[in-house]
Parts: sequence; C-alpha cells; structure tokens
Amino acid sequence: ILNVEQSPQSLHVQEGDSTNFTCSFPSSNFYALHWYRWETAKSPEALFVMTLNGDEKKKGRISATLNTKEGYSYLYIKGSQPEDSATYLCAPMYSGGGADGLTFGKGTHLIIQP
Amino acid sequence: EPEVTQTPSHQVTQMGQEVILRCVPISNHLYFYWYRQILGQKVEFLVSFYNNEISEKSEIFDDQFSVERPDGSNFTLKIRSTKLEDSAMYFCASSEWEISYNEQFFGPGTRLTVL
Repeated sequence: ILNVEQSPQSLHVQEGDSTNFTCSFPSSNFYALHWYRWETAKSPEALFVMTLNGDEKKKGRISATLNTKEGYSYLYIKGSQPEDSATYLCAPMYSGGGADGLTFGKGTHLIIQP
Repeated sequence: EPEVTQTPSHQVTQMGQEVILRCVPISNHLYFYWYRQILGQKVEFLVSFYNNEISEKSEIFDDQFSVERPDGSNFTLKIRSTKLEDSAMYFCASSEWEISYNEQFFGPGTRLTVL
C-alpha cells in the first residue's frame, strides 16, 4: 500500500495571505507527481504534473516544487483569494505507470477567510 | 472546453440491486478510469481501461464490478449486487495519453446511496 501523506489536513488562511502545504511520498522508483484542486460540488481539476527533481511549476498565483530524492512536494499559494478554497490532492506515480490509476493522498482542505 | 460527463448525478438503490453508472469521456481520449470516494475517506482508484480492455484494477474492483465501453462514447461501471459499503461518490476520468505525464480529466461524479 502506497503511503502518501499530505499535511496539514486542513488549513484556514486569511484572504491576501500566502500559504503552503506538503505532499510526502516514497521516493523509490518515483516517476511523476500530480497535483489536483477539488472544489466542493465540482470535479477534481489537474494543476500540475511534475517529474524532475528540483522541478518548479507555476499557474497564476499557485506554484509547486518537487524533491524526488527525499520524496516531497510543496504547493504554494500567493495572496490567497476566496476562490482558492478547495481540497488540494497529490498523487505520486512510480515506474511502470502507463495506464495505472492515481493513488491520492487524503488532501489538504484549504479555507480562505475573507 | 470539452468535459467528462456522468449520469446520473445521484443514484439511490436497494441493497442487492444492480446499478450502472454512466460516463461520457472526452471524445479524443484513449484511457478511461473509475475512482470512488467513500465519505470522509481518500479518493480510491478502481479500474483503468484502454483499447477495450481492463488495463489495471485495484483490490476493490472485485467480481461484483465490471466496466464496459458499449459504443464509441459511453464508458460504464456496473455493480452487480450492491452492498451498503458501496455507497460512495464514483468518479469517471479520461486522459488522452498514458497518465504518467498527462493529466486526467474528471467528471462531476455520481453519488451512489445503497439502502
């Protein structure tokens, strides 16, 4: 069973503040990491796919970094807005991926307070 | 923008009944998936499907589950004899290429309630 840990489980942040949270995963045979944002009553939406150690990806105010050697990724949100409120899920993949399904962490539930 | 659709949005059924959950993946996608989320738990992978056959399945996907692509557009999940513990949100997803480097597009989900 793949042990994917996301912390914290939930997070309350004031609008305008920046925040970050973590995804930890086994580093052996790592292949790629997926980040998804899941807003209530909507479909999970892909944010990033990251593969290389030291990779950094950015989409607007959201960015992510990847450390494949130690098995973690950080997701950063700069200047949080109410629309950032969502559950953020990560899913690492390992060698032999192909059509394998995603193994998600429990997610970080982010609430932006106006 | 193309999207994955799922029907129904909510299905209520009696224990022991068969249910079929339907999905229409994005039209040029080749890989299809089903996931479920039991309330309060992680989103769990059930099965992947490519080239008209199951590519991978999890331990959850036992003999009571089956998938089918009956025509060029629909992708279905059948649960033969539902149990109370099958109550969950079921998500369909599709991807254009192999998931390793490519995102999966998720549908809005079907909430299954087994009474």
